[in-house]
Amino acid sequence: DAKTTQPTSMDCAEGRAANLPCNHSTISGNEYVYWYRQIHSQGPQYIIHGLKNNETNEMASLIITEDRKSSTLILPHATLRDTAVYYCIVSSYNQGGKLIFGQGTELSVKP
Amino acid sequence: DGGITQSPKYLFRKEGQNVTLSCEQNLNHDAMYWYRQDPGQGLRLIYYSQIVNDFQKGDIAEGYSVSREKKESFPLTVTSAQKNPTAFYLCASSIDHRSPLHFGNGTRLTVT
Repeated sequence: DAKTTQPTSMDCAEGRAANLPCNHSTISGNEYVYWYRQIHSQGPQYIIHGLKNNETNEMASLIITEDRKSSTLILPHATLRDTAVYYCIVSSYNQGGKLIFGQGTELSVKP
Repeated sequence: DGGITQSPKYLFRKEGQNVTLSCEQNLNHDAMYWYRQDPGQGLRLIYYSQIVNDFQKGDIAEGYSVSREKKESFPLTVTSAQKNPTAFYLCASSIDHRSPLHFGNGTRLTVT
């Protein structure tokens, strides 16, 4: 079973920030938080990951709460091409790269 | 361009036939993975390999087999023992087990 809880769906207006929440209340100290997204009928795409510090790259920002029990993925200026299913995953390096994908959040960016 | 190639994109087979899905990568990645996705569901891990000539079962390995004879190739065979083979199959690779996964664009298998 997935160790994360995400809303089933969300809407966002084009050009606005999309904030996707994820709860992972049972996360262990050595587990990272990963975010991937999947555009319809394509393979998932890696977005970002982090352990306890906030992270930012060219695609998104990841905000992890101090107790690490939840996180938020932020797409700063959502475009129509960001419409996808977003998966939040927790995993540790000693799990051999195995990632357990839940059902994710279906983000719809609207004009 | 470097990447992962899965072929074919669509595959149709009759029940009772074995079928092999191709996955090739030119990223020089050590680790490779096979996932299965059913409609409206997340991905489930079938098999993974961290190095050539070695692989491990994932969560739903029954009815599937793999080989890893070359670093760049990780074919998946869906055998007749797999009770519900119709699904979207995704192959992925990573530099090692600590690194993010790169996915191919999948093969949609339909068995009738």
